[in-house]
Amino acid sequence: GQQLNQSPQSMFIQEGEDVSMNCTSSSIFNTWLWYKQEPGEGPVLLIALYKAGELTSNGRLTAQFGITRKDSFLNISASIPSDVGIYFCAGQYSGAGSYQLTFGKGTKLSVIP
Amino acid sequence: NAGVTQTPKFQVLKTGQSMTLQCAQDMNHNSMYWYRQDPGMGLRLIYYSASEGTTDKGEVPNGYNVSRLNKREFSLRLESAAPSQTSVYFCASSGTLTQETQYFGPGTRLLVL
Repeated sequence: GQQLNQSPQSMFIQEGEDVSMNCTSSSIFNTWLWYKQEPGEGPVLLIALYKAGELTSNGRLTAQFGITRKDSFLNISASIPSDVGIYFCAGQYSGAGSYQLTFGKGTKLSVIP
Repeated sequence: NAGVTQTPKFQVLKTGQSMTLQCAQDMNHNSMYWYRQDPGMGLRLIYYSASEGTTDKGEVPNGYNVSRLNKREFSLRLESAAPSQTSVYFCASSGTLTQETQYFGPGTRLLVL
């Protein structure tokens, strides 16, 4: 199956710092999604990207759909303690009857007050 | 509006025992999914149901069966539990199969001894 490489695996940052994480794939996707999972909860969708080169913001979060359609980036500006959690990227290729989401392994974010 | 609900929240089984994980959604969604989440592995799709009356295998279906009982409910059954099935199980739903926005339940934590 398709593989997503998400990095970094974990991050420890000071409150107020900016955060960057990314996902790369061996194959192209039509859609890139970014989810956040807090302890004991299911993933919640943060941002959805539909077109190569697209840059989308949701508050302090900004995500980009890579030009090659094989990568995506998520930035968080001015981090706060409630940003703590695991961030997952997911890609979807809607073709040849396949609609499944492929998830990255997650980036665990810890924010030091 | 509860969204996606799952029962039970926690379960301990002995090897060889059987159990059914329940999932229900109240968003009138057509498509439903079962994922498992293991440390460092991200989310992997077990089975999905595009619409009432249909089910299909995902990435890791072995050892599981599913039933789409009606539009609201999608259950996952372990006929003979194995320690390798120790995991956190998430149910999700979306409006349609091609609609990438999947809403997740809070998860069921399963330990097989």
